[in-house]
Amino acid sequence: AQTVTQSQPEMSVQEAETVTLSCTYDTSENNYYLFWYKQPPSRQMILVIRQEAYKQQNATENRFSVNFQKAAKSFSLKISDSQLGDTAMYFCAFAPTGANSKLTFGKGITLSVRP
Amino acid sequence: GAGVSQTPSNKVTEKGKYVELRCDPISGHTALYWYRQSLGQGPEFLIYFQGTGAADDSGLPNDRFFAVRPEGSVSTLKIQRTERGDSAVYLCASSLRPGHPTEAFFGQGTRLTVV
Repeated sequence: AQTVTQSQPEMSVQEAETVTLSCTYDTSENNYYLFWYKQPPSRQMILVIRQEAYKQQNATENRFSVNFQKAAKSFSLKISDSQLGDTAMYFCAFAPTGANSKLTFGKGITLSVRP
Repeated sequence: GAGVSQTPSNKVTEKGKYVELRCDPISGHTALYWYRQSLGQGPEFLIYFQGTGAADDSGLPNDRFFAVRPEGSVSTLKIQRTERGDSAVYLCASSLRPGHPTEAFFGQGTRLTVV
């Protein structure tokens, strides 16, 4: 079984600053994916960024980047140049590769961007 | 449709009643997932459909919960004898390729409140 842990319940950042959200996970799988999802008040889960475990290079999507440390089972999200629209819940998630794969989510973190 | 559609958006029901929650996936998506998100928690897996059949229903909490997808498109999550503990947001997601939650698109969920 997989577990995903997000130990910070909430964070706050000034607009235009950089913030890092932490996530650790536990698994015996060797091949898997890791994700960060954003959930605004509309409730829809929006994929922010995805990392494949076999890739050593950290994924980057515009202002969003990850620090993937496979040996430490750590997967943090860095948001640069924070914008007011980044205010939302953020969830770290894990999915093994293979048939019938499904997502396992952490508890989430509430991020507030201050003007 | 353009995205995953879930109806109703909100549902209030009395304890002991029966409810049905509907999910319209993206056209052509063969895989469909149901998740439950309790207050302050991340989504938890309930059931996964590949086409018309439930490939994995290991997340259904008890026999009061049942889901169908008779024509491989629309899915209905059915809850009998609802309890206050069933109050949560029920999220549906679909993906084009079975076993690839990495490509899943989520709906906006149904918020179920049992009073």
